[in-house]
Amino acid sequence: DTGVSQDPRHKITKRGQNVTFRCDPISEHNRLYWYRQTLGQGPEFLTYFQNEAQLEKSRLLSDRFSAERPKGSFSTLEIQRTEQGDSAMYLCASRNRVSGELFFGEGSRLTVL
Amino acid sequence: GESVGLHLPTLSVQEGDNSIINCAYSNSASDYFIWYKQESGKGPQFIIDIRSNMDKRQGQRVTVLLNKTVKHLSLQIAATQPGDSAVYFCAENRPPLQGGSEKLVFGKGTKLTVNP
Repeated sequence: DTGVSQDPRHKITKRGQNVTFRCDPISEHNRLYWYRQTLGQGPEFLTYFQNEAQLEKSRLLSDRFSAERPKGSFSTLEIQRTEQGDSAMYLCASRNRVSGELFFGEGSRLTVL
Repeated sequence: GESVGLHLPTLSVQEGDNSIINCAYSNSASDYFIWYKQESGKGPQFIIDIRSNMDKRQGQRVTVLLNKTVKHLSLQIAATQPGDSAVYFCAENRPPLQGGSEKLVFGKGTKLTVNP
């Protein structure tokens, strides 16, 4: 257990529905990242928060995706009007300083039918 | 998309043998590198890291070697055990570009299978 928790661990939804994932990072970590991982691939960067500020979004993050970190603690990732191509593992990670280890959660696996 | 290259997707070894997993990275400005282990259905787990001002770092049963000249990273696992079976990823820490953020960029991974 790295101390980063994600919820839910698994989500099955029908195409067109909205889904939301939550991440609780390690409490003293001010930097939070979301990654997406598809089968057989390495994690791909989606977005990054420093405290409550979203400082970067990947071009992978279409306008159907939105992420928030309202109080600089937990974060949510929402996918609207899900598509089958959104099926993946969504990983959250946190770090507390520049160039330090990223601690990953166990991920939220999304299956879109 | 941007990625660190990993060109051997699978590696099979006998229990007790040493394993070597290789990785090529692309960005010479990357200043920090990490090896992660990922078991099925779980998130990546930190194994060992190395900064760009070093060329070797040892942990418990694991050693990471960094060759900046050819932008190559390797992970050596001594006396490989069945519990080492997993997918291994190297990741490079890329400094922020203009308007961007510092981030870890991952390769595709190598699946290590340890045969008893």
